[in-house]
Amino acid sequence: GAGVSQTPSNKVTEKGKYVELRCDPISGHTALYWYRQSLGQGPEFLIYFQGTGAADDSGLPNDRFFAVRPEGSVSTLKIQRTERGDSAVYLCASSSHDRNNEQFFGPGTRLTVL
Amino acid sequence: QKEVEQNSGPLSVPEGAIASLNCTYSDRGSQSFFWYRQYSGKSPELIMFIYSNGDKEDGRFTAQLNKASQYVSLLIRDSQPSDSATYLCAVGGYQKVTFGTGTKLQVIP
Repeated sequence: GAGVSQTPSNKVTEKGKYVELRCDPISGHTALYWYRQSLGQGPEFLIYFQGTGAADDSGLPNDRFFAVRPEGSVSTLKIQRTERGDSAVYLCASSSHDRNNEQFFGPGTRLTVL
Repeated sequence: QKEVEQNSGPLSVPEGAIASLNCTYSDRGSQSFFWYRQYSGKSPELIMFIYSNGDKEDGRFTAQLNKASQYVSLLIRDSQPSDSATYLCAVGGYQKVTFGTGTKLQVIP
């Protein structure tokens, strides 16, 4: 596809459950970013991949959060033992390595933890 | 001190007027500066980027950067009701950007 895609668009889960959120970046984009956005706030950085490796994971809030990008394209954000405070829109963005951080966002996944 | 600061608004301007959106940042080493537009319930959309001091114009949009004052702004000329959205300022280096909380713009017909 032409843009960044994310699945699912909505995810409702119960406290304590495990969830996986998927991001498919723009073809050829080597950089991939995960953000979390709460109502009335700007996107909050979680993790950045350059190729297959996590170049910066300083934004992951705790060890319940983990992300992978095994083949340098699709990425999965994994959240264990979900808490109500994890409820937010999770955004993925991708960027070409030769365009300094001009990031293009996917539609997001709205996660609701009951 | 927040790394990227924006007035949350709302900023209300009449249709046809110039809307001026402002952003300050704390990291003097910042290299890249972006403006994103976000409609309610949608994801951010990149509308402008600027890397050097001065002005950069693209259609009705002008981005202005003053690194000495750590200040970046976005001017929207001939504002339209369709410009009503939240505008996010993002500042960063070559790998990571930090977003402000956004300014809500309302263009009144």
